[in-house]
Amino acid sequence: AQSVTQLGSHVSVSEGALVLLRCNYSSSVPPYLFWYVQYPNQGLQLLLKYTTGATLVKGINGFEAEFKKSETSFHLTKPSAHMSDAAEYFCAVSGPNTDKLIFGTGTRLQVFP
Amino acid sequence: DVKVTQSSRYLVKRTGEKVFLECVQDMDHENMFWYRQDPGLGLRLIYFSYDVKMKEKGDIPEGYSVSREKKERFSLILESASTNQTSMYLCASSSGQGTGELFFGEGSRLTVL
Repeated sequence: AQSVTQLGSHVSVSEGALVLLRCNYSSSVPPYLFWYVQYPNQGLQLLLKYTTGATLVKGINGFEAEFKKSETSFHLTKPSAHMSDAAEYFCAVSGPNTDKLIFGTGTRLQVFP
Repeated sequence: DVKVTQSSRYLVKRTGEKVFLECVQDMDHENMFWYRQDPGLGLRLIYFSYDVKMKEKGDIPEGYSVSREKKERFSLILESASTNQTSMYLCASSSGQGTGELFFGEGSRLTVL
C-alpha cells in the first residue's frame, strides 16, 4: 500500500523568503514521487518528479525536491518565493510503471509582499 | 498545446437528477481518470480507464459510473445526484507509459441542491 502525508495545510511566506513544503511517503515498492501545482481556478500541472537516479530533482519555476529514502521524505523547496508561486501544491506517490497516483491532501502556499 | 477539456466548469443540479460530466483529451492518451477534489481531503480517485471500454474502480466509486466509448472521451455519470456529491471534479489523462505524468482539465464544480 502507498500513501503520502503533507505536513501543514497552509504555509505563508514573505516574498523572497525560502519556501519549504513537506511531504512524507509510505510505499511497499520503490516509489515514484511527484509534486503537482494547482493555480487558482485551474487544473493541476506537474512541477517535478523523481523516478530513479539522482535524488535531487529540479522542476519548473525554480522549485526542487530531494528524495531521502532514509527519512521517507520528498520535501519541495524554492530559495526565494515570488508572488506568482501562490497556489496549492500536491505531493503524490505511485509505484513503477503505473500512472495511478495517490495524492496528498495538499498545501496552500500564500506569499506576502 | 496538449489539452484536456471538461465540458462544464460549473453545474447546479437537484437531488436525484442524473448528471453527466464529460471530458475530452487530444493527446491520444491511453489512460483517463476522474478525481474528486475536496478541501482537506486532496484528490481522490473515482474511476480510471486504461483503454476504450475498459475501466477500473478507484478509491471512491460508490454512486458513480463511467463510460469510455471512444479513446478521447471519458464520461463520469452520477445516476442519482446527492448533496454529498457536491464537489470539484477533475479529469486527467496520461500516455500509459508509466511516467506518472498526468494532464488535468480545469475542473467541473458541481453543486447538488
